[in-house]
Amino acid sequence: EVQLLESGGGLVQPGGSLRLSCEASGFSFSTYGMAWVRQAPGKGLESVSVISSSGDSPHYADSVQGRFTISRDNSRNTLYLQMSSLRAEDTAVYYCAKKREAVPDYFDFWGQGTLVIVSS
Amino acid sequence: DIQMTQSPSSLSASVGDRVTITCRASQGISRWLAWYQHKPEKAPKSLMYAASTLESGVPSRFSGSGSGTDFTLTISSLQPEDFATYYCQQYDSFPPTFGGGTRVEIK
Repeated sequence: EVQLLESGGGLVQPGGSLRLSCEASGFSFSTYGMAWVRQAPGKGLESVSVISSSGDSPHYADSVQGRFTISRDNSRNTLYLQMSSLRAEDTAVYYCAKKREAVPDYFDFWGQGTLVIVSS
Repeated sequence: DIQMTQSPSSLSASVGDRVTITCRASQGISRWLAWYQHKPEKAPKSLMYAASTLESGVPSRFSGSGSGTDFTLTISSLQPEDFATYYCQQYDSFPPTFGGGTRVEIK
């Protein structure tokens, strides 16, 4: 059974940093691309960043480019999102998602999310 | 970025009703469209991709259609477990973008 377990969320001040983790199990993690998707309070879903199975050529939404860094450790079956220069508008539930094989940027499994609140 | 517009934003329906949700892309995306179901406090669940290909385990009462810019998600006979918010998503080009969601409520 595919499981994705996010952690690392919490309350952080504007301008601060936070690192999210997503521990994967139930599938061959190193074979699949992964992504972070967020949902701000009362809003819809927004893709934040995606990364290939090998970690090459990550892509970012314009709203987080230069502030967030996606990475992965295939030996630990873990996906990361390093967030810096955080803003109030980054407040959201952050979901880790697995890409489906051979279907780019479509997410077939999701975690339950971790809440990030940016506030003073 | 490609904009995805869903309608309606919410609807009320009864168990057994046929429900249709539409999704329109701001430019042609062929059939590179997915649908997800999201319940509060739960992980989003993928329903289908390529506009109409159901994920394993998704009941056959769910169906999808469309290509280009206009797409439809249909639930043929609404069940109690189907009350949720539904999102469309295009993956024709980066960044993948989602519709605003359609909340399906109990009448």
